[in-house]
Amino acid sequence: DAGITQSPRHKVTETGTPVTLRCHQTENHRYMYWYRQDPGHGLRLIHYSYGVKDTDKGEVSDGYSVSRSKTEDFLLTLESATSSQTSVYFCAISEADSSYEQYFGPGTRLTVT
Amino acid sequence: QKEVEQDPGPLSVPEGAIVSLNCTYSNSAFQYFMWYRQYSRKGPELLMYTYSSGNKEDGRFTAQVDKSSKYISLFIRDSQPSDSATYLCAMSAIGGATNKLIFGTGTLLAVQP
Repeated sequence: DAGITQSPRHKVTETGTPVTLRCHQTENHRYMYWYRQDPGHGLRLIHYSYGVKDTDKGEVSDGYSVSRSKTEDFLLTLESATSSQTSVYFCAISEADSSYEQYFGPGTRLTVT
Repeated sequence: QKEVEQDPGPLSVPEGAIVSLNCTYSNSAFQYFMWYRQYSRKGPELLMYTYSSGNKEDGRFTAQVDKSSKYISLFIRDSQPSDSATYLCAMSAIGGATNKLIFGTGTLLAVQP
């Protein structure tokens, strides 16, 4: 998985609790992305980062926040988890000017009860 | 209407068959067309990408883009059981790393030995 790890790999949490997912890369790629994957919707972009402390919203950013304090780490936080955020979350990375060559992590399966 | 439409399948073929996977799209600004393969419970991996129209071949895989019809295809020759996976098409308007990829929902392919 191109030097990308995600933690945790599985998590079950209750509605209303905060959750943080971590993406760690060893490739020194500038760009990092968070997606969610749901049946019938495919992969949808939540947030992305184009450098340390530089982030922007994607298609489905409501209810999510991100932070990137180091090149190698990109955190996704659900401030107050809801059942609609039950999904598989993927982190991806890419080098400059090549968004089509995104490399994905193994995913985190999150269940909100 | 979704920007990218993809038949979810499942598609089941015998080993050795030629497989045709397709996507249609509505945004005429798309210039980059990608195919990702995703094995069960894994992250997507980039198979091929094509810029603008035309064909691209890589071993048993051929990607075709017909911009006049807003239609892209992935052909797999001599299909193998190891090709069993979900195939996702993805598109973007320009190649910059902050440009968002739009994914299809994926087609589940099963190659029977």
